[in-house]
Amino acid sequence: AQKITQTQPGMFVQEKEAVTLDCTYDTSDPSYGLFWYKQPSSGEMIFLIYQGSYDQQNATEGRYSLNFQKARKSANLVISASQLGDSAMYFCAIEVSGGTSYGKLTFGQGTILTVHP
Amino acid sequence: KAGVTQTPRYLIKTRGQQVTLSCSPISGHRSVSWYQQTPGQGLQFLFEYFSETQRNKGNFPGRFSGRQFSNSRSEMNVSTLELGDSALYLCASSLGQGNPGELFFGEGSRLTVL
Repeated sequence: AQKITQTQPGMFVQEKEAVTLDCTYDTSDPSYGLFWYKQPSSGEMIFLIYQGSYDQQNATEGRYSLNFQKARKSANLVISASQLGDSAMYFCAIEVSGGTSYGKLTFGQGTILTVHP
Repeated sequence: KAGVTQTPRYLIKTRGQQVTLSCSPISGHRSVSWYQQTPGQGLQFLFEYFSETQRNKGNFPGRFSGRQFSNSRSEMNVSTLELGDSALYLCASSLGQGNPGELFFGEGSRLTVL
């Protein structure tokens, strides 16, 4: 079974500063994908970034980057130049490869990010 | 390109009733997954369908069921509703083949059971 741990229930950051949201994972499968989603108060889960277990380089998507440390089983999300609109709940999730695992994401408990002006 | 569409967005039911939620995936996506989100349990996987076949199922009672149609649209049904079924139900679609890839979520259906 897979497990995601997000140890920060809430984080605060000043507008325009960078922030790191922590995520550690546990799986025995060698092939897996790690995801970060943003969930505003409206409820929609917005895909931010993806990292495959065999990817050699850390994933980046605009202001989002994933600090992937495979040996430590961590996949921290870094948001650069925070904006007020970044205030939301952030979830880390894992999906392992395999026919019985398609579509099955295991989520962490989430981190509420608040960006102050 | 249209995103994942879920209907209805909000609904209120009473205990013992049943409910059907609908999900239309992104065009070309053949996999649809369903999740339940509650404040206490967080996000939990319900089931996944691909080409009208259920490939994966989470640990939910038999009152929770689903199906997928030939056009990849999916429905989930909850029978004999309980107060604890109050939740945000999220649907996600993906290509469903190969290595793990992006899952795109809809805005969810918020169910309140009274």
